[in-house]
Amino acid sequence: GAVVSQHPSWVICKSGTSVKIECRSLDFQATTMFWYRQFPKQSLMLMATSNEGSKATYEQGVEKDKFLINHASLTLSTLTVTSAHPEDSSFYICSARGSRGNGDIQYFGAGTRLSVL
Amino acid sequence: AQTVTQSQPEMSVQEAETVTLSCTYDTSESNYYLFWYKQPPSRQMILVIRQEAYKQQNATENRFSVNFQKAAKSFSLKISDSQLGDTAMYFCAFMKQYHDMRFGAGTRLTVKP
Repeated sequence: GAVVSQHPSWVICKSGTSVKIECRSLDFQATTMFWYRQFPKQSLMLMATSNEGSKATYEQGVEKDKFLINHASLTLSTLTVTSAHPEDSSFYICSARGSRGNGDIQYFGAGTRLSVL
Repeated sequence: AQTVTQSQPEMSVQEAETVTLSCTYDTSESNYYLFWYKQPPSRQMILVIRQEAYKQQNATENRFSVNFQKAAKSFSLKISDSQLGDTAMYFCAFMKQYHDMRFGAGTRLTVKP
């Protein structure tokens, strides 16, 4: 079964609204979680890295005020897309790394397709 | 900065045949990990195989094996006895120990019946 649960799998929202995506590690403590963005037929681009209890580290070019990341517990991280616009439409994937198995392996969620109208 | 290059955007192979996907990377680190991930149409990322840089022995997982050439910074994936279910995007990834993972552009593999 899935070790990382990502919800929702698909969300459609109106321009200007905010959307929250949840990422949960189901059977291990995720000390570090990662958020990626994937455009059609392209690779995964790292947006930010979050460690439990501390502020997220954003990659260059990613607006931290637009993409709010919270990693308040060892099993949950959230990504909130604030004031979403059509150009934010994309596939967002989270991954988690922690106490499960080898500490170097990242386990991926199933992704969230965001469509902003 | 680490870069990962996959020079084959698309490849195809006949069912039951063998195919090799190439990957090169650039790093000055000595301690790192390399991965191949599969992304089927569902878009769920599935770990295919991992290699620790300090290990000389090539990793294998059933029909999947790698050819890890550390000096050449090459990490190719060989899929033997290809199956229709192997049709997917394949991403090569690099990770420094305890750091984030960086992906190549991907290779779209189609297995033909």
